[in-house]
Amino acid sequence: GAVVSQHPSWVICKSGTSVKIECRSLDFQATTMFWYRQFPKQSLMLMATSNEGSKATYEQGVEKDKFLINHASLTLSTLTVTSAHPEDSSFYICSARVQQGGGVKNIQYFGAGTRLSVL
Amino acid sequence: AQSVAQPEDQVNVAEGNPLTVKCTYSVSGNPYLFWYVQYPNRGLQFLLKYITGDNLVKGSYGFEAEFNKSQTSFHLKKPSALVSDSALYFCAVRDPSQGGKLIFGQGTELSVKP
Repeated sequence: GAVVSQHPSWVICKSGTSVKIECRSLDFQATTMFWYRQFPKQSLMLMATSNEGSKATYEQGVEKDKFLINHASLTLSTLTVTSAHPEDSSFYICSARVQQGGGVKNIQYFGAGTRLSVL
Repeated sequence: AQSVAQPEDQVNVAEGNPLTVKCTYSVSGNPYLFWYVQYPNRGLQFLLKYITGDNLVKGSYGFEAEFNKSQTSFHLKKPSALVSDSALYFCAVRDPSQGGKLIFGQGTELSVKP
């Protein structure tokens, strides 16, 4: 299947600093990428949908100025947690949807996730 | 709005026994249904999907799922469970009316004991 690489896998930072998480589709082009947040033993909460070359669409309740998303190319999307605080500590997962030949293959592939710990 | 429900938080199965992880859905129109598995501290791995066609869908690692329109269910099954199948399983539905985003169920933790 398609491979989505997410980096870093684990990051610890001080309160007030910013953290950037990268999500890359390694062997396919992804016009749409998704960013999720997951709390322990819970389901994934969609934060935003990122389309290449346009502004991300944020879900209700997600602060767009705090969680900056950039999707500059068909293989790379980044999530920057700005001025991180302990309550931002969580597991962040990106996902990319495969699109080939103008048709969407209807499968989302997920990165391995990034565990963010804010001290 | 589309939604999926996984009624069991946890399923316990003995190794070698068949397993079922339940999922029911509520959609308007034709459902696009998915199963994913998540191992600890990892992202989700795609197992299988139902878009159209045969009601019995075969996926990765010996898993299969049966689409039942009358019962609005999409239960995940495996004839013989392995200890290594122990993980968190998510059912999901794709919502075309909301940009095609996936709506996830609450997740079911599968524990397979030797």
